[in-house]
Amino acid sequence: QVHLVQSGAEVKKPGASLRLSCKASGYTFINYILHWVRQAPGQGLEWMALINPNGGSTGYAQKFQGRVTLTRDTSTSRVHMEMSSLRSDDTAVYYCARSFGDYVVLDYWGQGTLVTVSS
Amino acid sequence: EIVMTQSPATLSVSPGERATLSCRASQSVNSNLAWYQQKPGQAPRLLIYGASTRATGVPARFSGSGSGTEFTLTISSLQSEDFAVYYCQEHHTWPRVTFGAGTKVDIK
Repeated sequence: QVHLVQSGAEVKKPGASLRLSCKASGYTFINYILHWVRQAPGQGLEWMALINPNGGSTGYAQKFQGRVTLTRDTSTSRVHMEMSSLRSDDTAVYYCARSFGDYVVLDYWGQGTLVTVSS
Repeated sequence: EIVMTQSPATLSVSPGERATLSCRASQSVNSNLAWYQQKPGQAPRLLIYGASTRATGVPARFSGSGSGTEFTLTISSLQSEDFAVYYCQEHHTWPRVTFGAGTKVDIK
């Protein structure tokens, strides 16, 4: 069955950088686009970015352009998200999720990674 | 950017009753609308996509309807496991999709 397993919780200081990972299993990695969605404490869901593991093309929400970079490693079926210049309002749970078809319909989600940015 | 507005923010329902949740898009998204369920401490779960297609394994008591800018998620007879937060999401734009703020369904 499909699993997306994310790396563990992180505590960072303002201005630092972050690298999260998401390991996919149970399906052909390069056949499905992977996305990152975050959720601030008590808040709703915010789409951040996507990567197509087949070729590595990416897309970013405008507010994260230049601050977030997605990469993939097809040998390990992992995607990585790097975020720089962290601020306190980046404190959130970060999810990776898979989409299918030609739309952003997120059918499988990782367990989430809590990122806390605090001085 | 398409703005998704959900109402009500909180819906109090007794077990066994019907729940009707609404989602409005700021511009037409055709039938490109998904619904997710999220329980505390868990990742969201896809319920409905294409406005009315149930995802794999989703019980038939969940149904979606609507097109254009007005959408509805109906839970025909609420079970204890259905008390959660529900989010709508337009999947009309590629790839920069937007979610609604959520409707919390709690026990009356």
